[in-house]
Parts: sequence; C-alpha cells; structure tokens
Amino acid sequence: GAVVSQHPSWVICKSGTSVKIECRSLDFQATTMFWYRQFPKQSLMLMATSNEGSKATYEQGVEKDKFLINHASLTLSTLTVTSAHPEDSSFYICSATSSYNLYSGEQFFGPGTRLTVL
Amino acid sequence: QKEVEQDPGPLSVPEGAIVSLNCTYSNSAFQYFMWYRQYSRKGPELLMYTYSSGNKEDGRFTAQVDKSSKYISLFIRDSQPSDSATYLCAMSAFDTGRRALTFGSGTRLQVQP
Repeated sequence: GAVVSQHPSWVICKSGTSVKIECRSLDFQATTMFWYRQFPKQSLMLMATSNEGSKATYEQGVEKDKFLINHASLTLSTLTVTSAHPEDSSFYICSATSSYNLYSGEQFFGPGTRLTVL
Repeated sequence: QKEVEQDPGPLSVPEGAIVSLNCTYSNSAFQYFMWYRQYSRKGPELLMYTYSSGNKEDGRFTAQVDKSSKYISLFIRDSQPSDSATYLCAMSAFDTGRRALTFGSGTRLQVQP
C-alpha cells in the first residue's frame, strides 16, 4: 500500500515554456501533498505543502507565481513550472500523507520527475 | 546551524559489515523519526519509522532514538551491495501543526562486494 506515482518521469523543455507534473496517490486518499526539489547530491528542499481543496502554502523563497500547485482531488496534485528557465532544471519529487498519518508526518514519496530546461 | 545534521559521507564498507548511520537534531519538539533510502535518480523510500525514544527492528535494520541526546541512528546488519544508496533521516513535530518533514542532508553509503 501507500503508493505514489509521478508523471512524467522526465521531461525536457525549451526555455520559456511551461511544464506540468502530476502526482497521484494510487491506493489511499492523500489529504496533504508536498512538493520538493532536489539538486544533485543534495537533500530534499521543501517547496510547498498543499491540502486538498485549499491553496498551497509555499516555503520562503519559493515563487508561487512560478510554481503553480493545484490539489483538486484527494488523489491528484499538480505542479506547473511556468516560463521555465535553465536554473529550474532539477529533480522534483512529490510526497503524500493520509489522514491516518496526519499527525505523525510519515510521508510516502513518488519516484520523482527530472526536468531539464534547455 | 541546521535543525538536523547528518554526515554526508560517502561511507564505504565491505559486504557483510555492520553500518551505523547517525543524525543529530536541535529541535526538542521532534517526536517522529524516520529513515528513508534513496537510490540514484529515484524518490525516497521509507525504511523505518519510530515514535519518541527507543529501538525498532525490522529485518537487518534497527533504528534507535535517544531524545535526551537528540541523536538518532540506523544500523544495517550484514550489509549488501544492494544497500548502496543515500540514507536520509527525517523528523517531524506533533504540536506545531506543521506536517512537513525536516530532512538531514543524507549519507551516501557504498557497500563493496
């Protein structure tokens, strides 16, 4: 149980275009989803937290107009990188937690999406 | 000072060795402690989950939490080349209402056959 998928697994796009990444919880209802980015050989950096049906809460320094997050259902959250630039190239990982794990913070991670902006 | 400190390694051991991975933290509100394993270019996989102080064992893995010292450990017995990965400690607090995890920087482990 507790499987999280991401799509696409990798994407290459031109500078200035927008890219949408999907995160799905396959066998549980994800009341909260998190989006992280990870640079090579570095740890995960939390970008934002999203609760189903609510606006996402962004971490300090993360541009909410650039990284649009939608959590329209209990099984799907999307991250759209708008007007992507080469410095946005990174590994983006989502995670999810259910109401069962609400207070413990235990999260289940997707496989990640590698974004390369040319 | 980071909230969670973790030696980045790399840590290289021979196959069969006992591996000890550690994290220290400064926030006494942390009550939930996790260890994740991350293979290259993959998402983290939850290995061990512990609440408050104590030990927890699962197969070859043992997690220890010492809240008085703000120190957590993960032991891997009979290490295998397939254990080669980056190990991330993570923790969270109950009372703050903030459900996000605070991660260590990760320790890269290499098990030599």
